[in-house]
Amino acid sequence: SQTIHQWPATLVQPVGSPLSLECTVEGTSNPNLYWYRQAAGRGLQLLFYSVGIGQISSEVPQNLSASRPQDRQFILSSKKLLLSDSGFYLCAWPRASGGTGELFFGEGSRLTVL
Amino acid sequence: QKEVEQNSGPLSVPEGAIASLNCTYSDRGSQSFFWYRQYSGKSPELIMFIYSNGDKEDGRFTAQLNKASQYVSLLIRDSQPSDSATYLCAVKSPGNNRLAFGKGNQVVVIP
Repeated sequence: SQTIHQWPATLVQPVGSPLSLECTVEGTSNPNLYWYRQAAGRGLQLLFYSVGIGQISSEVPQNLSASRPQDRQFILSSKKLLLSDSGFYLCAWPRASGGTGELFFGEGSRLTVL
Repeated sequence: QKEVEQNSGPLSVPEGAIASLNCTYSDRGSQSFFWYRQYSGKSPELIMFIYSNGDKEDGRFTAQLNKASQYVSLLIRDSQPSDSATYLCAVKSPGNNRLAFGKGNQVVVIP
């Protein structure tokens, strides 16, 4: 079976501190992975997507970065967090290869920046 | 114009009634349309997808697509308290690897 895991589930960080969120998928045959953010009162915003190891596309300018060190691993990072980075971070992948398009989400990581 | 718009405010429906949610999109070339349900504090889960004009039924859920008018809707029949959640509309355009999401509509089913 195919699964996607994210950690940590919840974290509270001070402004200016670093961030690392991890996403791991197992059993997938589709290499595409996505990071979305859901801020309070806002819709899901695509931050990054990756089509393979070392291949990252950024959708919006920000102080976040992403890396794909392994095929099944997608990491979201920041060197210095801002208050506006608070939100619910979701990793997603298209479980079905073949392009029907639907995405499936991990459990999410809820970040509060104080 | 936003890519995907869900403009209705919170929707309260009595148990057993029909909940109706609407979504409009801007890219006329969009080909795939999805409805996700998101419970408070949880990640979105896919409940329906539709590609062709018309209706698609799955249990108590019906998705309706009208490409000429660029809208997609979701009907929830015989609403149950467990249907209380936020419903997100998502659209995929051809040649694009990503889904664009609306802000969502909150549904509250009143017992």
